[in-house]
Amino acid sequence: EDKVVQSPLSLVVHEGDTVTLNCSYEVTNFRSLLWYKQEKKAPTFLFMLTSSGIEKKSGRLSSILDKKELFSILNITATQTGDSAIYLCAAGSSNTGKLIFGQGTTLQVKP
Amino acid sequence: ETGVTQSPTHLIKTRGQQVTLRCSSQSGHNTVSWYQQALGQGPQFIFQYYREEENGRGNFPPRFSGLQFPNYSSELNVNALELDDSALYLCASSPDSPSGANVLTFGAGSRLTVL
Repeated sequence: EDKVVQSPLSLVVHEGDTVTLNCSYEVTNFRSLLWYKQEKKAPTFLFMLTSSGIEKKSGRLSSILDKKELFSILNITATQTGDSAIYLCAAGSSNTGKLIFGQGTTLQVKP
Repeated sequence: ETGVTQSPTHLIKTRGQQVTLRCSSQSGHNTVSWYQQALGQGPQFIFQYYREEENGRGNFPPRFSGLQFPNYSSELNVNALELDDSALYLCASSPDSPSGANVLTFGAGSRLTVL
């Protein structure tokens, strides 16, 4: 059965800290790994990764995929209170259009 | 360019009732998917529609059904509501065929409470 597992499930840090969120996956016909940020309701897209070892960056956020070890990490440097959210990892397969989501990591950044 | 819009935003039903949730896809998107997100969990895939046909279904019973219309808007219908159906229902659209890229644009969801 396809599955995606995220760790930790929750994290509390202070502003300025760096955090690393983990995502491991087992998906048949794996095609892509996506990260979303969910603050209130609608998950908003952060990154899509399809190739191993190529880091994607957007401001203070970055992510990388390891297709051999079947995991991805999301790094956030110099965290701000506005980074407080649930971070969702999802894997997509090439033979279906669905995404398999992990349970999410709840990040709280304290001032 | 408008995003994905869903209605209603909140609703309360009682066990055994039926509910219809609606979704308007982002302009130019022809594939729509529905996900159920229980409290404290990640979204779970319900089904996907492409060109008005169901194209993939998750592990949900037949009382969960859907439609996609020619303008790519969509409905999710749930019959014989159960308490465990209480969740946030997310609609997502994408511009590609189901075999294409998987970047989904999500709506803000419909929060269903079943009493």
